[in-house]
Amino acid sequence: SAVISQKPSRDICQRGTSLTIQCQVDSQVTMMFWYRQQPGQSLTLIATANQGSEATYESGFVIDKFPISRPNLTFSTLTVSNMSPEDSSIYLCSANSGQGVDEQFFGPGTRLTVL
Amino acid sequence: KQEVTQIPAALSVPEGENLVLNCSFTDSAIYNLQWFRQDPGKGLTSLLLIQSSQREQTSGRLNASLDKSSGRSTLYIAASQPGDSATYLCAVEGGFKTIFGAGTRLFVKA
Repeated sequence: SAVISQKPSRDICQRGTSLTIQCQVDSQVTMMFWYRQQPGQSLTLIATANQGSEATYESGFVIDKFPISRPNLTFSTLTVSNMSPEDSSIYLCSANSGQGVDEQFFGPGTRLTVL
Repeated sequence: KQEVTQIPAALSVPEGENLVLNCSFTDSAIYNLQWFRQDPGKGLTSLLLIQSSQREQTSGRLNASLDKSSGRSTLYIAASQPGDSATYLCAVEGGFKTIFGAGTRLFVKA
């Protein structure tokens, strides 16, 4: 199994600012993903973070708002840009074990509050 | 488009009871199905993974079944405990994308 850590665990930000969330996996993984979980809701996939190329975004999410980096097979960042109160959510990083089973593992999440 | 539905949305049971959580999906062309547990304000913990060729998986007091043809999965929890109180999420993977259900919020009363 993969162990995933995220930083920060939580933050309170002002409207119009940006926050970068870091995701670190303890082993090399093939696929990394970023999800958003709005209050009381289930998880919505934002994008797949591709190593060495641009992320693949889901419908309703754009690179200008959620730029993603993935410089190697163990690390990725998600930036939430020009934040508004509607961006208040838990942001979760996940990874595929990539060992032929494709079990998905999640980080502890980053709880973001935008004032 | 894959849709995942979980029933019931919430469940409250006395300690010791056996219970079943249900998950249904609309597209049977899945790669695998995974059950997760989420505690309030926390990330997800993987409970059980069932690959498309499998019918069930067991871990301790948990048993998950998969019927791909009917688009259903169940999570059976035996002898429930207050520590089992959490939200249980079903997730279906297909086409390099994982779709989550809305979850079942479980409360086990001591």
